[in-house]
Amino acid sequence: DTGVSQNPRHKITKRGQNVTFRCDPISEHNRLYWYRQTLGQGPEFLTYFQNEAQLEKSRLLSDRFSAERPKGSFSTLEIQRTEQGDSAMYLCASSLGPAGANVLTFGAGSRLTVL
Amino acid sequence: AQTVTQSQPEMSVQEAETVTLSCTYDTSESDYYLFWYKQPPSRQMILVIRQEAYKQQNATENRFSVNFQKAAKSFSLKISDSQLGDAAMYFCAYTDGNNRKLIWGLGTSLAVNP
Repeated sequence: DTGVSQNPRHKITKRGQNVTFRCDPISEHNRLYWYRQTLGQGPEFLTYFQNEAQLEKSRLLSDRFSAERPKGSFSTLEIQRTEQGDSAMYLCASSLGPAGANVLTFGAGSRLTVL
Repeated sequence: AQTVTQSQPEMSVQEAETVTLSCTYDTSESDYYLFWYKQPPSRQMILVIRQEAYKQQNATENRFSVNFQKAAKSFSLKISDSQLGDAAMYFCAYTDGNNRKLIWGLGTSLAVNP
């Protein structure tokens, strides 16, 4: 097991373009989380999945953001019509079960720069 | 609102010395978990220590220990015998209701001076 893998590690795009990030969790983990982190801030919750079901989505997340976990394995986070305010590090984490009793393991993150 | 306050944006410690990072939080839950995560310059979050709120005994992991004061909603991290590799951002977090996700503080940047 190689841990949580995120790709790409860094994406530079022009405003208005669409971008997609991929997260491959630890294989036996059924929970998968997406967080966003801007410079000088702590991680901000975006959404989480239990297997293929998206159980919660932050109210801060605009309709331009969508996430999927089609077979309960890897997940994708798509941002449509990117804006400069979307520039951030997007963190993926996975756990064996509910947070707390089960530790979240994080990937290295995908950094988005919107020009 | 659920919040985590880390009142020390930056801290520094001499190598081999001891440093304490503070964290307070606000929750109406009685059962929850608390965490300290470390984020080195490579930016991958690494778990440092975890505390279950219903356990009175403070968690320890080698050189890392916590002072958990449930009534005061305080959860400080003590790092003993600080090493250069301890230099990182340290985040305090706790689980929301039903342990669905973590609520995070803004972090404390720790520098370790040789």
